Formats: sequence, C-alpha cells, structure tokens
Amino acid sequence: GAVVSQHPSRVICKSGTSVKIECRSLDFQATTMFWYRQFPKQSLMLMATSNEGSKATYEQGVEKDKFLINHASLTLSTLTVTSAHPEDSSFYICSAPTGDHRYSPLHFGNGTRLTVT
Amino acid sequence: GQQLNQSPQSMFIQEGEDVSMNCTSSSIFNTWLWYKQDPGEGPVLLIALYKAGELTSNGRLTAQFGITRKDSFLNISASIPSDVGIYFCAGSERGGSQGNLIFGKGTKLSVKP
Repeated sequence: GAVVSQHPSRVICKSGTSVKIECRSLDFQATTMFWYRQFPKQSLMLMATSNEGSKATYEQGVEKDKFLINHASLTLSTLTVTSAHPEDSSFYICSAPTGDHRYSPLHFGNGTRLTVT
Repeated sequence: GQQLNQSPQSMFIQEGEDVSMNCTSSSIFNTWLWYKQDPGEGPVLLIALYKAGELTSNGRLTAQFGITRKDSFLNISASIPSDVGIYFCAGSERGGSQGNLIFGKGTKLSVKP
C-alpha cells in the first residue's frame, strides 16, 4: 500500500540551530503534502500545505519564516525549523494523499520527534 | 478555531469486549475519518465516510456518518490487545479527506488481556 516515509524519526538540537525534516512518498507521487504538529496528548494541528513547484500555504498563526517548507519534487517535501527554540519541541507529522482527487485517502508518515535543548 | 468533541477521552476494557467512541461537531461536516495512532508513530487511516448515514465496516471496526452530519461513531467488536492505541476522528467541512481536516483530541484505548 501507499507509504509515506519521514526522516529523521527523532532529533535533538540546540536552541538557535535549524533542523530539516524530510517527507517522502515512496510509491506514489504527491503534488500536495501536509505538515502537522502534535503536542503530547493533544490532537494534530495542520501547520501548512506543501505544494510541488509553488509556495506553501500556511495556516493562521504559523510563522512561514520559521517553518520553511520546500516541495521540490513530486515525492519529497521538507520542513525546516529555523532558529529552533525549546517551545518548538513537538511531534511533527507529514501526510500525503495517494491521488489528486480530494477524496484520495490521506496517509501519514511516522512522525519526527523534535527536542530543542 | 473549529473543534471536534471526541469521547470518551480514554477507555480501559477487558479483551473481548466491544468498544464505542464518538465525535460531535457544532457545525456540519461533509467527511468523517477515523484514524488509529500507535505511540511514536503517525496515524493510520481506518475508515473514511463521505455520505450522511453511511455505515462502513473494516474487519471488526464499524463507523457511521451521522444523519445530521454533526457526528460520527466508531465501534470495535471483540477487542484484542493489539487494538491498544489512540483513536482520532477527523472531519472536513469542505468535504474530501485531505488537508482541511480537523482532528478530535483522541480516545486512548487500553485493553486488558
């Protein structure tokens, strides 16, 4: 079945540094990918929609200059957390639909646990 | 922003028991989805519902899209230990199963062998 691969699964970084998270669709192409954030024992909150070949669309309250998104190919989207701070520590999850139709199922990666010290 | 009310927040049941959880919304949703998330992993889609009144099964799981379009439930029959995890409902006001999803806060299921 459709697989979304996310890397790294865990990362610890120092405050002020930047971290890049990759999201790949392994056996299908995705013109759109979605980035979510999940705090402990909380629900998933959509951060942004990544669009292949064009700018990402950010949800209200999400700083686009802090969370840089690049969707350079049909199988790869990256999220870079710039100048990370402890409050950015969270579980980041990407997802991709298996087709272009809006009813195409949304498959999630296994997430990246970011800890900023 | 828009939120889904998911209940119960947690359940601790005996193996073999049936499980029921539900989500409600104050506004009409045109799509309801149910996901399961294991610790440290991403959610896995269990069932997708696109029509009011729709009742869909996936093995021991059954979910329904409420007639009012403001609620959905998920039932698990004859629970087994591997059913342990957090179950999330997700809805879309605009329809479709993609990025414009709103997630419930989850139901944590624990199963005692």
